[in-house]
Amino acid sequence: DQQVKQNSPSLSVQEGRISILNCDYTNSMFDYFLWYKKYPAEGPTFLISISSIKDKNEDGRFTVFLNKSAKHLSLHIVPSQPGDSAVYFCANISRGTSYGKLTFGQGTILTVHP
Amino acid sequence: EAGVAQSPRYKIIEKRQSVAFWCNPISGHATLYWYQQILGQGPKLLIQFQNNGVVDDSQLPKDRFSAERLKGVDSTLKIQPAKLEDSAVYLCASSLAVFGTANGYTFGSGTRLTVV
Repeated sequence: DQQVKQNSPSLSVQEGRISILNCDYTNSMFDYFLWYKKYPAEGPTFLISISSIKDKNEDGRFTVFLNKSAKHLSLHIVPSQPGDSAVYFCANISRGTSYGKLTFGQGTILTVHP
Repeated sequence: EAGVAQSPRYKIIEKRQSVAFWCNPISGHATLYWYQQILGQGPKLLIQFQNNGVVDDSQLPKDRFSAERLKGVDSTLKIQPAKLEDSAVYLCASSLAVFGTANGYTFGSGTRLTVV
């Protein structure tokens, strides 16, 4: 069974600096890893993803790195802005399980201070 | 395009009462999901529909939870009777694709349930 873990419950960063959010997983059978961002009282919104065959994907200020040998994923936000303050979830879509099921980590609360 | 609509936004009930949540997915999206997010945890899949058929309900506590998706569009999730541990945000999501894609799927704003 796929497990996704975010071991840091929270992260505090100064505006303009880099934010690095981390995620570990147990099962290598997946198609994509995704990052979702969630503001209070709203549903999660898709941020960026990476295919299992890649090791990096970049979209503007957001870059996701995949280290398959370490079964580790990270999201880099550069430069961080106060509007980035939210809960960030990593999730994956596994192969071989029910169609398109997302397995989420516990989330990391990012706070970006002005 | 309009997003995934959910109602109500908030609900407070006493334990052992029943409650129902409603979801209207994005038009044309065949796949619909219900997730439960307990405070401090990530969302967990409860049930997945493909059109009006159930694809995966392995994590649904069937002794108290039920869900249906009539005509393959709107869906309702019911809890009867509710327990204190059911306090959570219930998220509905929909997807055009049958299998997972790089863009995941679109979530609604959720219904926050408090059981007292």
